[in-house]
Amino acid sequence: GAGVSQTPSNKVTEKGKYVELRCDPISGHTALYWYRQSLGQGPEFLIYFQGTGAADDSGLPNDRFFAVRPEGSVSTLKIQRTERGDSAVYLCASSLTAGQGPDTQYFGPGTRLTVL
Amino acid sequence: AQTVTQSQPEMSVQEAETVTLSCTYDTSESDYYLFWYKQPPSRQMILVIRQEAYKQQNATENRFSVNFQKAAKSFSLKISDSQLGDAAMYFCAYRSSYGNNRLAFGKGNQVVVIP
Repeated sequence: GAGVSQTPSNKVTEKGKYVELRCDPISGHTALYWYRQSLGQGPEFLIYFQGTGAADDSGLPNDRFFAVRPEGSVSTLKIQRTERGDSAVYLCASSLTAGQGPDTQYFGPGTRLTVL
Repeated sequence: AQTVTQSQPEMSVQEAETVTLSCTYDTSESDYYLFWYKQPPSRQMILVIRQEAYKQQNATENRFSVNFQKAAKSFSLKISDSQLGDAAMYFCAYRSSYGNNRLAFGKGNQVVVIP
């Protein structure tokens, strides 16, 4: 079946602008995760959803970052007043059940965000 | 918070040879999961292998195997019979089994395969 998809693949924006990044998880996966990967680093956790609710948003760096998953499937990561330090690859992952057993997370190809 | 350390930024291996990537982690938990992910230039993280901490037997997936040393908090990945398609960044990751579902990643190892 189809894997996790993310759009856009690349996004270039100007400092201070608002951006939205979209993630479409694997069908039937109830858990969805967002990570941020800066250059030369491993991914860092931002937020995860179980169904429609954000079960853990402790990784969001500040209140400019917000994510939603209104129908328990597609999720949107929203960044307000973007800063140059927000430039990174934003990765989305989904898993079947969230926390039960190994519950492997499957990743999308990411969105590369560049803030000029 | 758990930390994951990968100390060898780049490893080179001849095609058909074996390479081992090291990973150590810091945790006070007794039950958890460990993963190795591969990230090629396409950016997509692909699961290579996983290990449950309660299992003593080391996981194996075809040419990939791990050496899990729980007491030493060590989780190395061995790639046997290296192929050109194995060239990528490899990330070690930790996940708690106590309700915290986030993956904690190391900084990664770049594997270069020499034909």
